[in-house]
Amino acid sequence: DVKVTQSSRYLVKRTGEKVFLECVQDMDHENMFWYRQDPGLGLRLIYFSYDVKMKEKGDIPEGYSVSREKKERFSLILESASTNQTSMYLCASSSLPGLAGYVQYFGPGTRLTVT
Amino acid sequence: AQKITQTQPGMFVQEKEAVTLDCTYDTSDQSYGLFWYKQPSSGEMIFLIYQGSYDEQNATEGRYSLNFQKARKSANLVISASQLGDSAMYFCAMSQSYNFNKFYFGSGTKLNVKP
Repeated sequence: DVKVTQSSRYLVKRTGEKVFLECVQDMDHENMFWYRQDPGLGLRLIYFSYDVKMKEKGDIPEGYSVSREKKERFSLILESASTNQTSMYLCASSSLPGLAGYVQYFGPGTRLTVT
Repeated sequence: AQKITQTQPGMFVQEKEAVTLDCTYDTSDQSYGLFWYKQPSSGEMIFLIYQGSYDEQNATEGRYSLNFQKARKSANLVISASQLGDSAMYFCAMSQSYNFNKFYFGSGTKLNVKP
């Protein structure tokens, strides 16, 4: 089974703090993704990475950066957390297209509250 | 333009009955993939089923089947013999071959299974 883990299920941070959200996958997947999910807005892609040290902006990259130093690990960084970044953050990973398509497998999510 | 439309914000179904969750999509691409995910209240997005646009047979996975009607651009999820544990949000998603990493998610359907 694909396993995607995220460092925290719940996180509370103060405005202006630097926040690190970590994601690890154990299936040797090439692609990794960070989404945020907000009521009424669905899932929105923040960044994704298709290889080590490679990244591409998604739909809402402002206020975020990412790091992928190892294939299995993809980090989301909030340089200076703000209250409008309070959200559910979901990490996902996928392999290259194959017989089963390019299914994205998700981690359990991190509920981040910025006060 | 909305790529994925789920018109049922919420649905109720009696335990042990079958239920259909609607999904329509918009694409001019000939090659694409359609996915359904389940999100329980715990937050994790669980992959349920995949249908490729060139697959002639409807996909099935246990109690889940995908009713794929290409000409109508619909990809409805059918859950047979509903169980209480099926109560969750369900998301339909699409990815297009020329940009397979980009997933378009619908707004979701909240399914409640009544005992």
